[in-house]
Amino acid sequence: KQEVTQIPAALSVPEGENLVLNCSFTDSAIYNLQWFRQDPGKGLTSLLLIQSSQREQTSGRLNASLDKSSGRSTLYIAASQPGDSATYLCAVQSNNAGNMLTFGGGTRLMVKP
Amino acid sequence: DVKVTQSSRYLVKRTGEKVFLECVQDMDHENMFWYRQDPGLGLRLIYFSYDVKMKEKGDIPEGYSVSREKKERFSLILESASTNQTSMYLCASSREKGSIYGYTFGSGTRLTVV
Repeated sequence: KQEVTQIPAALSVPEGENLVLNCSFTDSAIYNLQWFRQDPGKGLTSLLLIQSSQREQTSGRLNASLDKSSGRSTLYIAASQPGDSATYLCAVQSNNAGNMLTFGGGTRLMVKP
Repeated sequence: DVKVTQSSRYLVKRTGEKVFLECVQDMDHENMFWYRQDPGLGLRLIYFSYDVKMKEKGDIPEGYSVSREKKERFSLILESASTNQTSMYLCASSREKGSIYGYTFGSGTRLTVV
């Protein structure tokens, strides 16, 4: 059974810092890995999707990497801003989970001005 | 951009009422999903559908049913709402089974049952 873990569960940083969010998964037979952002009381917004054959994806100040063999992904946020404050969720779509998404517990990020 | 639209952002219903949550996607996706999200429990899959008129139970289907009469629309039905169904409900769609293209989520419906 696929299990996804995110560390840390919460993070508070001053504005301007570069930061790394971690995601690990137990089964490397995945179709893809997605990073989502969720603001309080809102839905999930897809930030980056890494297909199983890819190593990384970039969008603006965000960079996500994928190492399937070690079951790890990182989300790097450069020059953090207060507007980045949200919960970040990692999810994998994997063969052994009936093609369903398996979510991590999320990292709650606060960027202080 | 793919859009997944949930018809209501906030709903307040009384115990025992029949409740319909509607979800529409505009990119001809095959698959549609309903999740609920609760503090400390994360996202849990209620029902999903791989095609019109098809439905499959997720992890927590009790107390819910679904309808998919058209490809673009997936409805979640609470036959007799109860207070323990107070939650955030999220609809999602994806292109095809085993897709490498990922999921798109709607903006959520916050349901309160009183």
